Amino acid sequence: EIVMTQSPATLSVSPGERATLSCRASQSVSSNLAWYQQKPGQAPRLLIYGAFTRATGIPARFSGSGSGTEFTLTISSLQSEDFAVYYCQQYNNWPPGTFGQGTKVEIK
Amino acid sequence: EVQLLESGGGLVQPGGSLRLSCAASRFTFSNYAMAWVRQAPGKGLQWVSTITASATSTYYADSVKGRFTISRDNSNNTLYLQMNSLRADDTAVYYCAKGPSYISGWGQGTLVTVSS
Repeated sequence: EIVMTQSPATLSVSPGERATLSCRASQSVSSNLAWYQQKPGQAPRLLIYGAFTRATGIPARFSGSGSGTEFTLTISSLQSEDFAVYYCQQYNNWPPGTFGQGTKVEIK
Repeated sequence: EVQLLESGGGLVQPGGSLRLSCAASRFTFSNYAMAWVRQAPGKGLQWVSTITASATSTYYADSVKGRFTISRDNSNNTLYLQMNSLRADDTAVYYCAKGPSYISGWGQGTLVTVSS
């Protein structure tokens, strides 16, 4: 089973600043990597799939990059509604489509 | 927009059973593989099970294999998860999810609590 490791566990950022979240796979997952956002009490929401393709309705301030084992989610200018937990998920070796443990983006 | 509505969660004793349902709408249900993903309280996401669009294949996480059964009724646009021999570590919010690989649609979740 592929293990997904996200860093940092918690990221403290001021509104308007840039946030960079990392996700590492224990072996190559090609570009089969998705990012999700989850707010308290809500279901996750798909942000990015295929490592860099934004899902429908996702603002352009969210961007994904990387391939193989190293991936990054960048939020270019944090808005108040972006403070949440973010998960990466590989779906190259499926099943299972393993998730990372999450990165919490909090207000600094 | 995809709509997925779970039901059937609740409090059950260890060793008990529960059946979750997920009513799907606003997309062609029979064209898509579907999955269940769970989240224990305060924890991350864990894939549980997937069923192909025509129900010819099913897949399970090792932790639920032999205890949980995923099924679907394409004529009624409904996904199911039969959970038997429930354990305390099955306590979680269970999400119905669209897609075999990345999840393009999520339900609101239903809470399953296994406790005596």
